[in-house]
Amino acid sequence: DIQMTQSPSSLFASVGDRVIITCRASQTISNYLNWYQHKPGKAPKFLIHTASSVQSGVPSRFSGGGSGTDFILTISNLQPEDFATYYCQQSYSAPPTFGQGTKLEIK
Amino acid sequence: EVQLVESGGGLVKPGGSLRVSCIGSGFTFSDAWMGWIRQAPGKGLEWVGRIKSRAHGGTTEYAAPVKGRFTISRDDSKDTLFLQMDSLKTEDTALYFCITEFYGYNFNYWGQGTRVTVSS
Repeated sequence: DIQMTQSPSSLFASVGDRVIITCRASQTISNYLNWYQHKPGKAPKFLIHTASSVQSGVPSRFSGGGSGTDFILTISNLQPEDFATYYCQQSYSAPPTFGQGTKLEIK
Repeated sequence: EVQLVESGGGLVKPGGSLRVSCIGSGFTFSDAWMGWIRQAPGKGLEWVGRIKSRAHGGTTEYAAPVKGRFTISRDDSKDTLFLQMDSLKTEDTALYFCITEFYGYNFNYWGQGTRVTVSS
């Protein structure tokens, strides 16, 4: 199985900040990388697929990049509703696997 | 608006069985590839398995930890997805999310989850 490793595991930031979350795959996955946002008690939300394609309805402050084994999620101008846990996930090969999550908290 | 609503979670003893369900609305359920993802307490997300639409053969795939114990099925006449869990283990304790999938392991809609606890 492909291992996905996110860093950092937790991150403290303030409203208005720009934050970057990284995700590394244990082998090359081309651009088959998705990002999700999860808030406690809510359904996870699909943010970005194929590394950089932002889903319809997702604010433009969210962006993604990378290919091969190294990927990033950037959130610019953090808003209060962005504080959540973020997961990367590879869709390159079965079984699909997730990173361990990055919890974004208010400083 | 797409909605996925899970139900049927609860407390079950090790070795027991449980069936959870998911009703979908706001999309053509019969065309959708559906699946389950779980999150154990304090842990990350783990794919459980999927079922393709009938037009794509209705075939199923499972993660290794649940293969042979869990069965995913669907009733398109009722817009309902099922997860039958047998021979449950304590490590199956988790919040189980129903999901829709597109273009191969891209999970575009999720429910809020139903909690399954396996404990004696």
